[in-house]
Amino acid sequence: GNSVTQMEGPVTLSEEAFLTINCTYTATGYPSLFWYVQYPGEGLQLLLKATKADDKGSNKGFEATYRKETTSFHLEKGSVQVSDSAVYFCALSGGGSEKLVFGKGTKLTVNP
Amino acid sequence: GAVVSQHPSWVICKSGTSVKIECRSLDFQATTMFWYRQFPKQSLMLMATSNEGSKATYEQGVEKDKFLINHASLTLSTLTVTSAHPEDSSFYICSARVGSKDTEAFFGQGTRLTVV
Repeated sequence: GNSVTQMEGPVTLSEEAFLTINCTYTATGYPSLFWYVQYPGEGLQLLLKATKADDKGSNKGFEATYRKETTSFHLEKGSVQVSDSAVYFCALSGGGSEKLVFGKGTKLTVNP
Repeated sequence: GAVVSQHPSWVICKSGTSVKIECRSLDFQATTMFWYRQFPKQSLMLMATSNEGSKATYEQGVEKDKFLINHASLTLSTLTVTSAHPEDSSFYICSARVGSKDTEAFFGQGTRLTVV
């Protein structure tokens, strides 16, 4: 079945550091790929998405590119802020299934 | 963005009793709803996928007789944990989506279930 593997944390960075959180997937067909974020005390919310190969999703300075050849959707941000501290989840839907499945999540802490 | 309301936000129940958790999409009609269980260290496990008016599709290893899901309308899905035991204590999250796999899913705030 479809699955998502993402880099396990926790990840601790200083403000203005570069962030990469790796995500790879296994799916048949052409899934849609997502990054969701869970801020402390809040529910999950969509950060960005890409629905076809080579698409780049971007939001709030975060970016991820749908790479079919490497089955990856790595999340990047050039300069993180303290307010980016949260848990980040890579997810996919489709690829022969309507399910929305998640990776295990990566906790990011950004220190001032 | 669209709002998904999940109720209650926390509940404590005695072992052997049943607990119902409600998930409502407040300002949209959800084609599909998902139920997740979130484990310590944040891992989010899909329990089941449901569409309005049809039976839920459960993930392997999830007992359908224990975790009853009813998706009676386009705005309401319920998860009933029957004959709860301490090992069912967890954080349960619902999600609702309009349309296809390409679209955003909206999440409830979650329900903390403690079985004593």
